[in-house]
Amino acid sequence: AQKVTQAQTEISVVEKEDVTLDCVYETRDTTYYLFWYKQPPSGELVFLIRRNSFDEQNEISGRYSWNFQKSTSSFNFTITASQVVDSAVYFCALSGGADGLTFGKGTHLIIQP
Amino acid sequence: GAGVSQTPSNKVTEKGKYVELRCDPISGHTALYWYRQSLGQGPEFLIYFQGTGAADDSGLPNDRFFAVRPEGSVSTLKIQRTERGDSAVYLCASSLTAGYTEAFFGQGTRLTVV
Repeated sequence: AQKVTQAQTEISVVEKEDVTLDCVYETRDTTYYLFWYKQPPSGELVFLIRRNSFDEQNEISGRYSWNFQKSTSSFNFTITASQVVDSAVYFCALSGGADGLTFGKGTHLIIQP
Repeated sequence: GAGVSQTPSNKVTEKGKYVELRCDPISGHTALYWYRQSLGQGPEFLIYFQGTGAADDSGLPNDRFFAVRPEGSVSTLKIQRTERGDSAVYLCASSLTAGYTEAFFGQGTRLTVV
């Protein structure tokens, strides 16, 4: 069975601080994809990134960066110079094939001005 | 439309009643997913359609839940004899193909059973 663990239930930082959201996953599949989604107060899940299990290169997109380490089954997400608009619930998710995604419980990120 | 559309956005129903939730996916997307999200939790997979057929309905909690996608586009999630425990946000997502492509989510239907 697949499992995604986001141990941080809530994180609160002051604007402009860097913040890292942790994600640890479990799967027996050799091929899988990892995702991060953002859920602002409006409720709609917004896709941020997809990473396949064969690509361990870190990725940077503006203030966002992702660190995928297969050896520790982790796919962590860092926001640099956080902004109030980054406040949301962030979900890490795992896909092992055509079936639906397995989501973690989410991390509620609060950026204080 | 440009995104996944779900109607209604909110639904309040009495225990024991029947409800239908509608999802209109992004045009051209062949894969459609239903999820359920309870307060403080991540979305939980319910059912997945590839075209008109339900490819995987292993997430449906019991036989009160049923979903259809008769023409391979719009899908309806049907819940019979609703219970208070069915209260949640029901999310629909679509993706271009099945498998590993990213899914785009609608804003959800908040179902409250009183």
